Amino acid sequence: DAGITQSPRHKVTETGTPVTLRCHQTENHRYMYWYRQDPGHGLRLIHYSYGVKDTDKGEVSDGYSVSRSKTEDFLLTLESATSSQTSVYFCAISGLAAYNEQFFGPGTRLTVL
Amino acid sequence: GENVEQHPSTLSVQEGDSAVIKCTYSDSASNYFPWYKQELGKRPQLIIDIRSNVGEKKDQRIAVTLNKTAKHFSLHITETQPEDSAVYFCAAVMEYGNKLVFGAGTILRVKS
Repeated sequence: DAGITQSPRHKVTETGTPVTLRCHQTENHRYMYWYRQDPGHGLRLIHYSYGVKDTDKGEVSDGYSVSRSKTEDFLLTLESATSSQTSVYFCAISGLAAYNEQFFGPGTRLTVL
Repeated sequence: GENVEQHPSTLSVQEGDSAVIKCTYSDSASNYFPWYKQELGKRPQLIIDIRSNVGEKKDQRIAVTLNKTAKHFSLHITETQPEDSAVYFCAAVMEYGNKLVFGAGTILRVKS
């Protein structure tokens, strides 16, 4: 597996609390992505980054924000978690945008009660 | 909006048979189409991809075909084995290469 980790791997939280998920890579890849995976929906892009401090929205960005202050870290924040954000979150990295293989992290299972 | 439709949602085959999964995409400018395999509890991993300048690509027992005119592409797995059992996702690049849009996935079960 590519050098990509996610933390935490599992989290249970309550509605209304803020949550931050971290993605860390050691590959020096320029592009980083956050997806959520839900049954029947496949992988849906939340936000992505094309460089330090350069981010853009994906198809399901409402309720999420991201930050990338250095190449190796990409943070996903749920400002006020809701039950609809219960999901498995995957981070992915790519060296040359979406035209090349994306390497996925191990995933974070988030449960919002 | 931009989307990728994938069929079937579940597919059961007997070991040794072939399996075919089909996807259609909406953005006529898409020119890169990867397929990912996700085993139970694991992360998705690329198994094969195709670019728009070719119509077919093979890698041992798997192949992908692309019809740009009809905007659809397919994954073919021959001589299926139990270890092929997994969820398969197709995807298409959108918006000048910055985003991948995934299909909803196909659960493939290979019965031995």
